[in-house]
Order: sequence, then structure tokens, then C-alpha cells
Amino acid sequence: DAGVIQSPRHEVTEMGQEVTLRCKPISGHDYLFWYRQTMMRGLELLIYFNNNVPIDDSGMPEDRFSAKMPNASFSTLKIQPSEPRDSAVYFCASAVQGSYEQYFGPGTRLTVT
Amino acid sequence: AQTVTQSQPEMSVQEAETVTLSCTYDTSESDYYLFWYKQPPSRQMILVIRQEAYKQQNATENRFSVNFQKAAKSFSLKISDSQLGDAAMYFCAYRSALGAQKLVFGQGTRLTINP
Repeated sequence: DAGVIQSPRHEVTEMGQEVTLRCKPISGHDYLFWYRQTMMRGLELLIYFNNNVPIDDSGMPEDRFSAKMPNASFSTLKIQPSEPRDSAVYFCASAVQGSYEQYFGPGTRLTVT
Repeated sequence: AQTVTQSQPEMSVQEAETVTLSCTYDTSESDYYLFWYKQPPSRQMILVIRQEAYKQQNATENRFSVNFQKAAKSFSLKISDSQLGDAAMYFCAYRSALGAQKLVFGQGTRLTINP
């Protein structure tokens, strides 16, 4: 299996632009998580899905952030408009019901100038 | 809400020596899982070891072992025979056994291995 796939690996954009991060979970996994890693706040959960349905979005910082999972093999995290404070590494992870482990993707490093 | 605390921002150890990374957590739940993740410079998150709270026996994975003290809410990671490839950020994480599947992470400990 290829593991969790994220794209792009790096994104540099200007303040005010729309940014879309993409994730393909491991086939057969029914949980998908979006985490954000910053120096100030560490690793924090933004949102997670179960069977494509958002279960907990309490970590989404504000209305500028939105996430979707239109099918079992694809999810997006969108930031519109982006701000410099959104600069971070964004991880996607997936898991299967009944398993302990979450499998992380390689992350997307986002820089907003 | 659950919290995880790693009080050592940085640690260093000589190659082949043993090092212990500390982690404490706060929860009112009785059933949960604890994890140690490794993040090398490649930034890939790698699961090192896990512990189920209902198990009294400490988990071991080759050179990695934990000291799980449920009453004290402590979960330390011991790395024996440290190798250069062990250099990384190490994160302690908590997950409820019921309901929420999300991981709650500590702030991390940067481990340096001195040759």
C-alpha cells in the first residue's frame, strides 16, 4: 500500500489567496484526520471524519477553514482567505475501525507570505 | 479535556547509552491508549510504541520500552542502546478508548544523539 498521500508537499502562497490541501487515505480506512503542527501550538487536531461524515470539527480555527470528504478516498482542507498565521505543516492521517494506530501522511508545509 | 505534558523540550544522549523521555497526562477516563511517536527531520510521524491503559504490563518494542504508571498518570519512554537514527522529535499522545478517536499530543522532546 502507498500509505496516506498528501499533496502538495510544499505550498507557498500570498496572503488572501485560497489554498487547498489534498489527502488520499489508505484504502479501506474509515477514519480520516486533519492535524496542524506549529511551533507555538504543537500538533493539534483540526477535524476528523468517520465514513466520510465530519464527527468533530471543534479544532477548526475559524470560518476561513473548511474540510470536505466527498468519498472514501479523498479529502480536502481549504483555507480562504489565507493569512500568514496559517503557516504550518498540515498532516492528514487515516485509521481503520478497531485499530489503535493512525497512519500519517508526509504532511504539507504551507507558507503564507 | 485531556492534556499531555512533556516537560523536557530537549534531551541528548551518547550513542549506545540509555535515555528516558518523560510524559504526564491528565484525564478522568479509565480506559484509553497512550502512544509515543517519532518525527525525524523528514517530518514523517512514525509510531514507536503504544500502551493500553487496562494492561499493567509495560509495552516493549525492541530497544524501546515504556514505564506506565496509571495512578501517577505518567508514561515515560526508555530508549536503550541509542543509535544515531534515533535522533528526532518524540511526541507522547493520548487517545480515548471510547468515543473520540482523536490523538492529543504533548509538546514534544527533541532528542539528540552524540556520536
